[in-house]
Amino acid sequence: QVQLQESGPGLVKPSQTLSLTCTVSGGSISSGTYYWSWIRQPAGKGLEWIGRIYTSGSTDYNPSLKSRVTISVDTSKNQFSLKLSSVTAADTAVYYCARTDYGDYEYYFDYWGQGTVVTVSS
Amino acid sequence: DIQMTQSPSTLSASVGDKVTITCRASQSISTYLAWYQLKPGKAPKLLIYKASSLQSGVPSRFSGSGSGTEFTLTISSLQPDDFATYYCQQYNTFSEWTFGQGTKVEIK
Repeated sequence: QVQLQESGPGLVKPSQTLSLTCTVSGGSISSGTYYWSWIRQPAGKGLEWIGRIYTSGSTDYNPSLKSRVTISVDTSKNQFSLKLSSVTAADTAVYYCARTDYGDYEYYFDYWGQGTVVTVSS
Repeated sequence: DIQMTQSPSTLSASVGDKVTITCRASQSISTYLAWYQLKPGKAPKLLIYKASSLQSGVPSRFSGSGSGTEFTLTISSLQPDDFATYYCQQYNTFSEWTFGQGTKVEIK
């Protein structure tokens, strides 16, 4: 059974960089036909897809966040990471990592982490 | 980008009720739609993909229908474990996956 777990600081100061890691267990991050994504949910608002990384290391980002987002993968640790620069209070949210199996060209999220709360405040 | 609009935003229902949630897309997305259940502190759960395919392990009281721009998630007989927030997601546009704003199912 695949499991994903987010980790990282729960408090980030404005203008700094938010950094989170997702650790994948129960399977190799580099095998299979998978995308690995970050998704967030600001308090009282809906879900927003941030971006994804392929096992090859190629990335795609939400156009609204593209200038501030970097997603990377560390296959030796079975982890992928999110960096979001120049954060403001609007970036306060629950951040989720999730998996997409694109083998059948259906791009839904079949496994998710339980989420981690990140607050942007001085 | 494709906008996804869910209705209602909040729904009050009792155990045993039939519940229907609607999701409308701003343009046709064929059947490239999924439904998720979110509960605080828990990993979101995939319920439905390809508009009407039930994810393995999900109870059969959940069903999805629709194509093009209008979709529904139906819970045939609401159970205590079903009180949660539900989101639709379109994946027709590969460059940007988008979600509805959510529907909270509350105890009446």
